[in-house]
Amino acid sequence: EAGVTQFPSHSVIEKGQTVTLRCDPISGHDNLYWYRRVMGKEIKFLLHFVKESKQDESGMPNNRFLAERTGGTYSTLKVQPAELEDSGVYFCASSPFNSGRSGDTDTQYFGPGTRLTVL
Amino acid sequence: DAKTTQPPSMDCAEGRAANLPCNHSTISGNEYVYWYRQIHSQGPQYIIHGLKNNETNEMASLIITEDRKSSTLILPHATLRDTAVYYCIVRVAAHLTGTASKLTFGTGTRLQVTL
Repeated sequence: EAGVTQFPSHSVIEKGQTVTLRCDPISGHDNLYWYRRVMGKEIKFLLHFVKESKQDESGMPNNRFLAERTGGTYSTLKVQPAELEDSGVYFCASSPFNSGRSGDTDTQYFGPGTRLTVL
Repeated sequence: DAKTTQPPSMDCAEGRAANLPCNHSTISGNEYVYWYRQIHSQGPQYIIHGLKNNETNEMASLIITEDRKSSTLILPHATLRDTAVYYCIVRVAAHLTGTASKLTFGTGTRLQVTL
């Protein structure tokens, strides 16, 4: 079974440009999460999708960040316009939990991350 | 979710058991203890989780005290590849709330395995 995949693995852009990160969760996982780690700081939650709906977006830093999960499969996280402080590693995670299915766990499995550098 | 406290760093000789402690004195009855690790700059890796009973899988063992206020992750035979930052996270069980939820990462314990 394929794990969570993320694209690109690295992105270097200039301040003011736009970048779109993509996450493909494990097949069949309803829950998709975005996290990020900026230099020297802890890993921080950004938002959580249940299928195509945003369950919790309390961690989104500002309106320059836009996340989508059309069709409830893969997700994109767009940063527009990018600022220097957006540099960091962006992680995606997925979990199978569905309240209507017994036995599902909420264990989250992470992708390898996208390293974003804004110059 | 309850707060956790971990030592910032630990060393372990290769081949020996690594015992990583975690305090979670404010844990509530519906909260699980999860352990993840991050090797270098890779994505966090799930290790194990438990509610109140000790748990073991192919990676590690989790020992939770009877009062559930602390736990220990045990890597029985540490190797150089186990060098990583280990995170102890407490969170409410999704099957009890009906809703999956985020992970709240702290600073973790940096485990250095040496020859």
